Formats: sequence, structure tokens, C-alpha cells
Amino acid sequence: QVQLVESGGGVVQPGRSLRLSCTASGFTFSNYGMHWVRQAPGKGLEWVAAIWYDGSKENFADSVKGRFTISRDNSKNTVWLQMDSLTAEDTAVYYCAAAYSAGWFDYWGQGTLVTVSS
Amino acid sequence: DFVMTQSPDSLAVSLGERATIHCKSSQSVLDNSNNQNYLAWYQQKPGQPPKVLIYWASTRASGVPDRFFGSGSGTDFTLTITYLQAEDVGIYYCQQYYISPITFGQGTRLEIK
Repeated sequence: QVQLVESGGGVVQPGRSLRLSCTASGFTFSNYGMHWVRQAPGKGLEWVAAIWYDGSKENFADSVKGRFTISRDNSKNTVWLQMDSLTAEDTAVYYCAAAYSAGWFDYWGQGTLVTVSS
Repeated sequence: DFVMTQSPDSLAVSLGERATIHCKSSQSVLDNSNNQNYLAWYQQKPGQPPKVLIYWASTRASGVPDRFFGSGSGTDFTLTITYLQAEDVGIYYCQQYYISPITFGQGTRLEIK
């Protein structure tokens, strides 16, 4: 069955970095655009970043542009989100999500919690 | 950015009745070249990730019961849930994927009356 498993979350101090991973199984990873979507505690959904199915293009929300990078390795069925210069506003559950077509999310992981706090 | 506004913020509906959620986009998400509305609906149950219900504004995702019905075009969309079941409780989000950045509505909390 389809699985997306995120890891790498935790508690980090403001200004520090964290790297999230998401490993996929059960579908042809290399055919899917991969996204990160976050949800602050008790809040709604915010799209964060995307990488094309072949890694040729990336896209970021203005709120993380210049601080976050996204990458993937199709041979490992894995996508990463490198988060630098973290602030309290980055505290959220981070979901990875897979999109085969125009941009709706077919599959979601269970999420990993990132808490930015001193 | 495209701003997606849902209404109401919350609603309570009796079992077996109909629930209706609205989503309005600040700009049209209709692509006239293919006549498709770049609009999806998701359901999020407590402690779970979202699950896609509807894409292209009215196409049900695989395995989604036909009690869920998406409609609308351009800037105004509706998610209708007929014959409400207890398992339909959760928060519902609309999402536009017409243009980056992808944006979501603020969510509508659905409860049983």
C-alpha cells in the first residue's frame, strides 16, 4: 500500500537548522511531484515547497523562500526539506505530499512535528 | 496570491441530513484552454493528515463515497455531503492549484448536531 513516512522533526532553537526526510513506497515515486505542506498547531494548511517529479524545478512559499531548500533522490524514493534560520513561526506539523497531476495531493504522510523554541 | 475563503467556518448538521460548504477564490481558477477548474477538496479527521475528496472541482477521488459532491466554476465552489454520517466529522479544506503558490481555504469544521 502507499506510504509516505516523514522523519527528522523535533525541537530546535531559533536560528538553527533542521532537515526533514520523506520516504515513499507503494507507488512510482519518480512520476510524482513532491510537496511539503505544514500545519501550525490548531491552524489550517499552508503549502511550503514543491519539487518536480524529475527534480528539474522547485518552488517555495514566500514565507520560506531563501531559508528552505527541497531536494529528492528518485533512486531512494526520498525527498528532503532543509530548513535553515528557523523561527517560532515555522513551528508546525510538516507533511510531505505527492501530486501526480496538476497539483492536488493524492497521497500524504502522517507528518512530523517541528517545534522552534529556545 | 489567490486567496481562498470558505464559509461557514463551522457547521453542525444532523445525521442523515445535508451539509454544504462554500469556497470562494479571489480570482478565477478556471483554465479556459481546457475548461478545467483547478480546485480540490480535502477532509481532515482529528490526528490524521488530509485526504483528497474531490479534484477538478467535481471529480471524486478513488474510493470517495458518492455522498460527496463538488460543484461550481470560476471563483465559486461548493462541497455538498448528502446523508451525513458520523464518520464525516472533521475539517474540510478547499485548495486551488491553478497558480503557484498553492493556497488553501481556512477550513470548515463539520460536526454532528
